Amino acid sequence: RKEVEQDPGPFNVPEGATVAFNCTYSNSASQSFFWYRQDCRKEPKLLMSVYSSGNEDGRFTAQLNRASQYISLLIRDSKLSDSATYLCAVRNYGGSQGNLIFGKGTKLSVKP
Amino acid sequence: DVKVTQSSRYLVKRTGEKVFLECVQDMDHENMFWYRQDPGLGLRLIYFSYDVKMKEKGDIPEGYSVSREKKERFSLILESASTNQTSMYLCASTIPGHYGYTFGSGTRLTVV
Repeated sequence: RKEVEQDPGPFNVPEGATVAFNCTYSNSASQSFFWYRQDCRKEPKLLMSVYSSGNEDGRFTAQLNRASQYISLLIRDSKLSDSATYLCAVRNYGGSQGNLIFGKGTKLSVKP
Repeated sequence: DVKVTQSSRYLVKRTGEKVFLECVQDMDHENMFWYRQDPGLGLRLIYFSYDVKMKEKGDIPEGYSVSREKKERFSLILESASTNQTSMYLCASTIPGHYGYTFGSGTRLTVV
């Protein structure tokens, strides 16, 4: 099983739709979790950290499910500008201490 | 805002050339990383450094070396460039702890 897995998509949704992505991780000792957004041919940019209690930033909600070892990202009222690839990242401790492990990303395409 | 600056956005080099990719961050971050990103393969860690003069191999170090003589600068060296090193190279930095990475804007390297 890969350490961090994401459905590559693409997710094709109409404007205004709600869309959710999941990201599963294999190490139950994982400590920190993040969602990144990457536009085509650009660098990944931190979208939000994922806290145990879940967190929300405008139309974006991130949640952590430790029992099932996944994190999720929910986007409400999708905009054309949300079209991008969304990467999840997980930090373990021990071994390569402090390094993030990235998923390969889920591509989102929001259509008019 | 933290800035991570990579010296070149686009670079074309010939097979066998020695190539230097420079990365500078302006926020006194201890940890710095070099990744390459290829379609379908995601972000792959080449080398990382937790301190000046310190370096550790990532998942794909073969054909690369690094230098960290100053805290703010982390250089990636392709000893003898090959066509299979054509890729997008991304530098990132962070401070130790539960923090995400900040990425540079990337260098798209083509080896011909």
